[in-house]
Amino acid sequence: DAKTTQPNSMESNEEEPVHLPCNHSTISGTDYIHWYRQLPSQGPEYVIHGLTSNVNNRMASLAIAEDRKSSTLILHRATLRDAAVYYCILEDSNYQLIWGAGTKLIIKP
Amino acid sequence: EPEVTQTPSHQVTQMGQEVILHCVPISNHLYFYWYRQILGQKVEFLVSFYNNEISEKSEIFDDQFSVERPDGSNFTLKIRSTKLEDSAMYFCASSEAARTYTGELFFGEGSRLTVL
Repeated sequence: DAKTTQPNSMESNEEEPVHLPCNHSTISGTDYIHWYRQLPSQGPEYVIHGLTSNVNNRMASLAIAEDRKSSTLILHRATLRDAAVYYCILEDSNYQLIWGAGTKLIIKP
Repeated sequence: EPEVTQTPSHQVTQMGQEVILHCVPISNHLYFYWYRQILGQKVEFLVSFYNNEISEKSEIFDDQFSVERPDGSNFTLKIRSTKLEDSAMYFCASSEAARTYTGELFFGEGSRLTVL
């Protein structure tokens, strides 16, 4: 199964952009890249997903490397509410999401 | 905004007892899932359910576990004889689409199970 590697934690200042990296060097050609986040004491929340092209939505942008071995989740202007664990996830061969340990994002006021 | 609701929020049980966790998925969703998260660890897939049958299950989902959709709205996870290692947060999720790459999963807030 494809796996992802993320930093354990990152810090950012409020109102500034945040770039959360993810390595997935064993990704296969049909694996989608998903990002979810988990705020404290809450269930996971969908952020964004993509296959090859960069993606934008109201929450974030997803930049996918040309070789697809890495991707970056971009929060354009972090707020205190964005403090969460961010998971970069690939699907396994049975189309289920395989979660890594995630990156704990700390936002400093 | 529609949401997935789970009950109870916290259940404490004795080892060996049966536990049923309840979920009400979003009403127009057709695909249902259970995940669990042991404290401080990764989120782990347990089972997916569609058209009144299990579509996929992980190695964790052994004979002690079962799922059911007893009526048009509820989706339950039963653990027949709980073990200490079943202590975890259990998340229910639902989605409109069959494949996770075509649609997002909507998660509930979880049911914390503590086995003593």
